[in-house]
Amino acid sequence: GENVEQHPSTLSVQEGDSAVIKCTYSDSASNYFPWYKQELGKRPQLIIDIRSNVGEKKDQRIAVTLNKTAKHFSLHITETQPEDSAVYFCAASTYNNNDMRFGAGTRLTVKP
Amino acid sequence: DGGITQSPKYLFRKEGQNVTLSCEQNLNHDAMYWYRQDPGQGLRLIYYSQIVNDFQKGDIAEGYSVSREKKESFPLTVTSAQKNPTAFYLCATRRGVQVGNQPQHFGDGTRLSIL
Repeated sequence: GENVEQHPSTLSVQEGDSAVIKCTYSDSASNYFPWYKQELGKRPQLIIDIRSNVGEKKDQRIAVTLNKTAKHFSLHITETQPEDSAVYFCAASTYNNNDMRFGAGTRLTVKP
Repeated sequence: DGGITQSPKYLFRKEGQNVTLSCEQNLNHDAMYWYRQDPGQGLRLIYYSQIVNDFQKGDIAEGYSVSREKKESFPLTVTSAQKNPTAFYLCATRRGVQVGNQPQHFGDGTRLSIL
C-alpha cells in the first residue's frame, strides 16, 4: 500500500519568510495529492491539491509542486503570516481515493 | 465543512464499555470515512464506505465497527476490544464514487478519552 513521508516535522519561520514542506510517496499509481491545514483542535481543511497531469499549481501565497518521477511533492508558502501557524498534512491517493494515506504532519510556527 | 456533523465533541469511555460516535452529512456525498488521529501523528484510516450497506476495513479496523444504513449516516462504534481508544476521531466524506481525484472533507471531530 501507499506510504507517505513528510518533512520536517516542525518548522519555525519569521513572518514574511517562505516555508517549504516536502513529502514523498511510494505508490507510483498515486495521482492525486491534497494538502490540508489543521489548527489546534479543529478539522483538517483542504488548502490546495494537485493532480498528476500538472507539475505545479498556485493559489495566492500557496503553491504545490509535483515530481512524479521522483515521487515527491512540496508545499510552498510565501510571505508567511502568523495565521499560517498550524499543522499541515500532505496526502496521496489513486483515482478512487479510498486508499488515501496521510503524512505525519508538519507543525508550522510563524513568529511575528 | 458545515455539511458534516460529528457528535459528541467529547466522549468518555469506561472500561469494558462500547461507545458510538456519530457522523451525519447533508452534502449528498457517496463515500464516508473514519480516521483516528493520535497526538503528533497523521490520520490513520479505520473504515470507509462507498455506498449504503457496504463498508471496508482500513488500516486499523481492529476494535472498531461501523454501519451504513443510510447515505447520510456512518456511525463508528469503539468496542471494548479496542484497548487504547484515546484519540481524536475524524469523519470525512467525498463526493461521488464515480468521480475520481476528489478531496475529502472533514467534520469537527470527536475527542474520546478513557475514564
